[in-house]
Formats: sequence, C-alpha cells, structure tokens
Amino acid sequence: QVQLVQSGAEVKRPGASVKVSCKASGYTFINYYIHWVRQAPGQGLECMGWINPRSGDTSYAQKFQGRVTMTRDTSINTAYMELSSLTSDDTAVYYCARRADYYYGMDVWGQGTTVTVSS
Amino acid sequence: SYVLTQPPSVSVAPGQTARITCGGNYIGSRSVHWYQQKPGQAPVLVVYDDSDRPSGIPERFSGSHSGNTATLTISRVEAGDEADYYCQVGDSSGDHTYWVFGGGTKLTVL
Repeated sequence: QVQLVQSGAEVKRPGASVKVSCKASGYTFINYYIHWVRQAPGQGLECMGWINPRSGDTSYAQKFQGRVTMTRDTSINTAYMELSSLTSDDTAVYYCARRADYYYGMDVWGQGTTVTVSS
Repeated sequence: SYVLTQPPSVSVAPGQTARITCGGNYIGSRSVHWYQQKPGQAPVLVVYDDSDRPSGIPERFSGSHSGNTATLTISRVEAGDEADYYCQVGDSSGDHTYWVFGGGTKLTVL
C-alpha cells in the first residue's frame, strides 16, 4: 500500500542539527512532491517547504530559509529534511506528506517524527 | 504572506450540521484543501480542490467557497468527527508556490 515511513524520534541540544528521513513505498516516488510540515505542542500545522523528487527543486517557507535543507535519494525513494541551529522553539512533530499537484492536496502523510530540543 | 483565518472552535450536537469557515483574500479564486486531525494522529485529507473528496471520505464531508470565504460542511455529525480541522491553500509567488494552513478549528460534538 501507499505509505510514507519516517525515521524515529530525536533529542537534540540547542544549536545542533537534525535530519529526518521519509521513505516512500507503493507508488512512483518521483511523480509526487514531498512536503514537510511541523506541529509544535498544542499548536497548528506549519508548512516548512517542499521538494520535487524528480528534479530536486526545492521551495522553503521564508521563516526557515537559511536553516532548512530538503534533499532526496531517488535510488531508495527517500526524502530528507535537515534543520540546523535548533532552539527550543523547534521542538515539534515533523511530518512529511506527498502531493500530486496544486489541485490535489496532501493525500498521504508520514506518521510523524518527534524532535525535542533540550539542554 | 497569505493568511487564512479560521474560528478557534465550533460546537455541534450529534446529527446536526457543522460548518467550519476559512477566510482569506480572494480565496474563491484558489484551490482550497481541508484536513482532519485527531489527537496523536497525522492529518487526513478530507476535501481537496474546494469540493472534491478523496476515496474513503464519507459524502457527509463537503466543501464550498465564494468570495473571501471557504467552508467545510459536515452533515449528520457523528462523535467520531470530533477533531481539529485545517484549511490550506497554495500561494503562488514567482516560480514557486508556498503552502499555507489556517490556524485550525476544534470541532466539538456535544
């Protein structure tokens, strides 16, 4: 079945970086954008950006530009999101989700990866 | 950046109709998506492109938009519909599209 499986929970010190993976299966990886969305405790959903797995093209929300890097490895159908210079405000659940195009929304989501930033 | 405004909460009795609004500048000219999120779970797409439903989503869920407001309507509300609901649009700027969520609405089934 179609699914996105994310890497496990992470605990990081302030100032460190975290890299979360998102492995796709059950569909053609390069045919769907991969988005990264985060949710701080008790808060709403926040779009971080996306990557086009076919071309490697990326687009980052202004808030994260300079601190986030999204990459992919098409040989293993996996997308990655790396966030640097972590602070306690980055403590959140990070989701990956796929999207076909502008009109289709994000129809498949990963299970989420909890990232905790604490000294 | 584009801003979407949702009411923080909506309450409805079982069997009644819930309407959750999403306000945004000229939102009627954009493709609006809606997501349901239950506690501890990933979001689920319930309406895409304003009014279409993914397979497996009950017909009780419908979407519409006009002018500066999009609306998610849940008919014959059930206890299992209690969740947070988020609207989303893509905001095109230059060569890229930036994706924005509304702040979310907590649906309480009385």
